[in-house]
Amino acid sequence: EDQVTQSPEALRLQEGESSSLNCSYTVSGLRGLFWYRQDPGKGPEFLFTLYSAGEEKEKERLKATLTKKESFLHITAPKPEDSATYLCAVQAATGANNLFFGTGTRLTVIP
Amino acid sequence: NAGVTQTPKFRVLKTGQSMTLLCAQDMNHEYMYWYRQDPGMGLRLIHYSVGEGTTAKGEVPDGYNVSRLKKQNFLLGLESAAPSQTSVYFCASRIYTGELFFGEGSRLTVL
Repeated sequence: EDQVTQSPEALRLQEGESSSLNCSYTVSGLRGLFWYRQDPGKGPEFLFTLYSAGEEKEKERLKATLTKKESFLHITAPKPEDSATYLCAVQAATGANNLFFGTGTRLTVIP
Repeated sequence: NAGVTQTPKFRVLKTGQSMTLLCAQDMNHEYMYWYRQDPGMGLRLIHYSVGEGTTAKGEVPDGYNVSRLKKQNFLLGLESAAPSQTSVYFCASRIYTGELFFGEGSRLTVL
């Protein structure tokens, strides 16, 4: 069964304190792994898509990496505006019409 | 660009009442989705559509119906609302491959 597990559930960082969020997945053939950001009361906002192990993508203070079993979202020198819930989702090669979402990591960056 | 627009944004129903959530997208996307998001659970797929006139069941379809009469619109109906359907509902769309674009959400409370 396709499964996505994110850790930690919540993370509090001081401004400038770098860290990583984890997304472990089990899927029958990975077509793509997606990272989204969700602010309170809003819909998820797309950040990255990763397709194969070893791939990396960057955007401002965020960098996403992918292995065969997990993905990391690295946050370098975070700012308070980076506070949000970060969601990971996988798209399987079979059943490609759906994305399976994790429960998210709620990140709080303290000034 | 409006992107994905959901109406209404908030609704309170009594058990047994019916209602329809409307999703409209202006990106000419073929694929449209309805998800629900509950505390402690990831986004779960209710129904989806791969094109005008088509619909298919997702993970949690019971108690919901959908219609895609026009390419730009995807309707989610609750025929007889139950308290278990209290949730935040998100509509999303995409092209054949690629990321999902989400609406802002519709918060439904069933008393």
